[in-house]
Amino acid sequence: DGGITQSPKYLFRKEGQNVTLSCEQNLNHDAMYWYRQDPGQGLRLIYYSQIVNDFQKGDIAEGYSVSREKKESFPLTVTSAQKNPTAFYLCATTLGLYNSPLHFGNGTRLTVT
Amino acid sequence: AQTVTQSQPEMSVQEAETVTLSCTYDTSESDYYLFWYKQPPSRQMILVIRQEAYKQQNATENRFSVNFQKAAKSFSLKISDSQLGDAAMYFCAYRSSISSGSARQLTFGSGTQLTVLP
Repeated sequence: DGGITQSPKYLFRKEGQNVTLSCEQNLNHDAMYWYRQDPGQGLRLIYYSQIVNDFQKGDIAEGYSVSREKKESFPLTVTSAQKNPTAFYLCATTLGLYNSPLHFGNGTRLTVT
Repeated sequence: AQTVTQSQPEMSVQEAETVTLSCTYDTSESDYYLFWYKQPPSRQMILVIRQEAYKQQNATENRFSVNFQKAAKSFSLKISDSQLGDAAMYFCAYRSSISSGSARQLTFGSGTQLTVLP
């Protein structure tokens, strides 16, 4: 079945450690996105990538980094520079056509203590 | 930059009744897309319905329909014959038709938590 896989579902880290969240897709979609969701707020864009080897900062990129070495993969690293990393992280993809909706993974809940 | 506003943080509806969730947006563009997503307790984001701005006809998907008022920049979601499984957080989202830069991202509202009462 085609889809988006985010792993792990729950992730716990100590403050000061970098952590990488995985996002893999087999939908053959060109564009991939990372969103952050906090309680009582909508989704905020961290990074996005429209093609391999290219990515752009979103609205809240500080403290995060990404790579896009393969079309299928768009990992997100939460660095120690991110001041408040505890949140729910969603990966999404789209065909890139202007009327294509985003398809979402199941998310990763990151807790940093 | 576009903004999306959902002014109802919480709503409730009796099972089998109808409920309308409000969404307004701000944009200077004439062509764009609007979406409603549902996020149940599993936190999976599920596309409910979408509307293209150049289409005057309101989109409908089974029990879900929209009231799209382009001039008023309003995009409300109506859920008819509400079911217990409709209980979720509902997000309104805007997407530009411009292909360059960050325009392809979705801009989300803050969400409306819908409770369905048995």
